Amino acid sequence: AQSVSQHNHHVILSEAASLELGCNYSYGGTVNLFWYVQYPGQHLQLLLKYFSGDPLVKGIKGFEAEFIKSKFSFNLRKPSVQWSDTAEYFCAVKDPGGYQKVTFGTGTKLQVIP
Amino acid sequence: NAGVTQTPKFQVLKTGQSMTLQCAQDMNHNSMYWYRQDPGMGLRLIYYSASEGTTDKGEVPNGYNVSRLNKREFSLRLESAAPSQTSVYFCASTSATNYGYTFGSGTRLTVV
Repeated sequence: AQSVSQHNHHVILSEAASLELGCNYSYGGTVNLFWYVQYPGQHLQLLLKYFSGDPLVKGIKGFEAEFIKSKFSFNLRKPSVQWSDTAEYFCAVKDPGGYQKVTFGTGTKLQVIP
Repeated sequence: NAGVTQTPKFQVLKTGQSMTLQCAQDMNHNSMYWYRQDPGMGLRLIYYSASEGTTDKGEVPNGYNVSRLNKREFSLRLESAAPSQTSVYFCASTSATNYGYTFGSGTRLTVV
């Protein structure tokens, strides 16, 4: 079964700091990867996704992620965070074999201090 | 507004009671899912329905049942609630060609 690891459980940054959240997955074949964001008290929203092509994927709100196949990684980045980025971030990978099943990581809580 | 609608938003049950969580989507998506979210454990798949008429177990199906009533609706039933089922439940859907979930707003369930 596919697995996803998010190394940082809780990250605290000051506004304007740069962000990088780690994500590693276990499957070695063709992968579809996602980052979701959950703002306090809200449901998950898709931030960005990778299927093929350019390994640097740009998403909404200035976020981007880089797919590095050799490292089984899909790290999320943002050059300058804002207080409004305070949220929990989930990495996810589509299970191979169809049916759109996705395995989620345990999440990283980001707190941005003004 | 197009999206995934879940009801109820909050529920408190006593141990042993039963209830059904409702989910409906109006995006003509084929696949629907039920996840539970617990602190430190991320989202875990309970059941999913790849298409109308089919359902399959996910990672944590014990204590739950589901019904894919039609293409729009996918309900989750707790037959005899237990405190371990205290959680936030999310329904999600996706089309066959759109690789990304649309989530509902969640149901916060407390079993006492």
